[in-house]
Amino acid sequence: QKEVEQNSGPLSVPEGAIASLNCTYSDRGSQSFFWYRQYSGKSPELIMFIYSNGDKEDGRFTAQLNKASQYVSLLIRDSQPSDSATYLCAVRRGNAGKSTFGDGTTLTVKP
Amino acid sequence: GAVVSQHPSWVICKSGTSVKIECRSLDFQATTMFWYRQFPKQSLMLMATSNEGSKATYEQGVEKDKFLINHASLTLSTLTVTSAHPEDSSFYICSALRWGVNEQFFGPGTRLTVL
Repeated sequence: QKEVEQNSGPLSVPEGAIASLNCTYSDRGSQSFFWYRQYSGKSPELIMFIYSNGDKEDGRFTAQLNKASQYVSLLIRDSQPSDSATYLCAVRRGNAGKSTFGDGTTLTVKP
Repeated sequence: GAVVSQHPSWVICKSGTSVKIECRSLDFQATTMFWYRQFPKQSLMLMATSNEGSKATYEQGVEKDKFLINHASLTLSTLTVTSAHPEDSSFYICSALRWGVNEQFFGPGTRLTVL
């Protein structure tokens, strides 16, 4: 079992719809959770981070964390074709040190 | 926002030569930098963790004598691919952990092609 699991996709949604990306992790000691977006041929860019249980909203993006279920998700509202990318989930135990990345979910938003 | 640069952005070299890739945090100090490798359509693979002033910690299966990492200052880490071979052709990405801020910032990556 991988430490961080994501559905590889591809996940396809129509423009304007809500895209839901899911991630589960195995280390119960994980404290920090991150979502990155990676366009093809580019390096990852940080979209959001979340540390506490519940929801965190930033514009069209909402991260949801449930530590009891070891589950973190990213919702993208009003999806745009420009959101088409691979989304990486990452978890970290403490404030420093390496993060463990999932393999990513490829999202395609169709016009 | 925090900016991490990499140089060069792409490099083509002959088999057997060595290639140095620089990673700089431009507007913050990075006590820790990470080096990743990513093959086409595959996930990020962490190669090593680099702390300023100390030896890098390599992930299992990564040859430390082939991938030399130097983290000489709080803003610069270098990765040298020694005696490069075609199978080393990949996208190499560094990231920096900003001290006091729990976020990891990625450089734009370096595409290495070994002929």
